[in-house]
Amino acid sequence: GESVGLHLPTLSVQEGDNSIINCAYSNSASDYFIWYKQESGKGPQFIIDIRSNMDKRQGQRVTVLLNKTVKHLSLQIAATQPGDSAVYFCAENWGGSEKLVFGKGTKLTVNP
Amino acid sequence: DTAVSQTPKYLVTQMGNDKSIKCEQNLGHDTMYWYKQDSKKFLKIMFSYNNKELIINETVPNRFSPKSPDKAHLNLHINSLELGDSAVYFCASSQAPGITEAFFGQGTRLTVV
Repeated sequence: GESVGLHLPTLSVQEGDNSIINCAYSNSASDYFIWYKQESGKGPQFIIDIRSNMDKRQGQRVTVLLNKTVKHLSLQIAATQPGDSAVYFCAENWGGSEKLVFGKGTKLTVNP
Repeated sequence: DTAVSQTPKYLVTQMGNDKSIKCEQNLGHDTMYWYKQDSKKFLKIMFSYNNKELIINETVPNRFSPKSPDKAHLNLHINSLELGDSAVYFCASSQAPGITEAFFGQGTRLTVV
């Protein structure tokens, strides 16, 4: 069945440290992946995406890595700030379809 | 200007009632979605419309009926509300389903008592 999971449900880091959030996806035919950030009381907010023809993509302070061999996705946040505290979701277009399937989410807490 | 807006933000109602949640997007997108987020924060797709046509219909009770009067609007009507329907419902839109990111509204917190 559909399964996009995260290895760590919670992650606590110190301000200024780098954060790594991991995600395992189960459908090898998925070819588009997105990371979302959800702050309390708000809707998911797009952070960065990556297509299956790439293995790395960088944004502002964020990097997404894709390893298709092991069906693994990660989000790296550099110099984590208190404002980065949120729940982070990975999502995949299930089997290359129009359906965006979300993982379970990782709660990131940044300690000052 | 809000890109994806949904109303109401909060909705408290009794079991058995019928309620609607409205969603509008001003991004010019062709595709709109409804997601349900449960108490454990799990986001699950319910429906998707592309150019006013239903393209995704997950295993959702038929008490839930989406309506898309035009590409910019996707409303969700729920009949005979049950306690288990309590959740946060998110509307979203995207330019092209499955190949571009979806933009989400602020959510509607539905509480059935």
